[in-house]
Amino acid sequence: DSGVTQTPKHLITATGQRVTLRCSPRSGDLSVYWYQQSLDQGLQFLIQYYNGEERAKGNILERFSAQQFPDLHSELNLSSLELGDSALYFCASSEGGRTDTQYFGPGTRLTVL
Amino acid sequence: GEDVEQSLFLSVREGDSSVINCTYTDSSSTYLYWYKQEPGAGLQLLTYIFSNMDMKQDQRLTVLLNKKDKHLSLRIADTQTGDSAIYFCAEGTSGTYKYIFGTGTRLKVLA
Repeated sequence: DSGVTQTPKHLITATGQRVTLRCSPRSGDLSVYWYQQSLDQGLQFLIQYYNGEERAKGNILERFSAQQFPDLHSELNLSSLELGDSALYFCASSEGGRTDTQYFGPGTRLTVL
Repeated sequence: GEDVEQSLFLSVREGDSSVINCTYTDSSSTYLYWYKQEPGAGLQLLTYIFSNMDMKQDQRLTVLLNKKDKHLSLRIADTQTGDSAIYFCAEGTSGTYKYIFGTGTRLKVLA
């Protein structure tokens, strides 16, 4: 158990809908990272927050957004969902803002029908 | 751009050693990581090595880094069926705030 929690574990929704994925980092970690894992794209970095502020953006679509709250939990919002958004979404956390060791949560499996 | 490559599959017999290889292109990489992903699960950090190191050993795991060739390997001694999983290498550079992951190597251990 990495100490990073993600909810829900599974999510099934329809095209055009909006969903919110939630992540709680390890105790004491200030950074949260979001990744998307799909069969054709592999593991892709989406976005990183450090202590409530956005720090880095990767291959994140404009339809997706994220935020980190004062209690350091983070939410990833996915809107206008398409079939191709079906994937595993992982959250990871680390102590600081630099590329130190990231610990991954169990993931949320999103299925868009 | 940055790229990390791994072979897709590896099959070994139980009790043998497994060697999973990874090559990367970013010469400014500071940290290199190995993660394990079991079916339906998240990524579990196995070990990591700083770029100023050549080797790191941790129980059954040995990481070798050839910085000149930008080649990283993970050796698993006495491979067990429980080691069957997908192994990802990742490189990170201090200050960039993100990892670049390889495609993953699916290790199958035959009893």
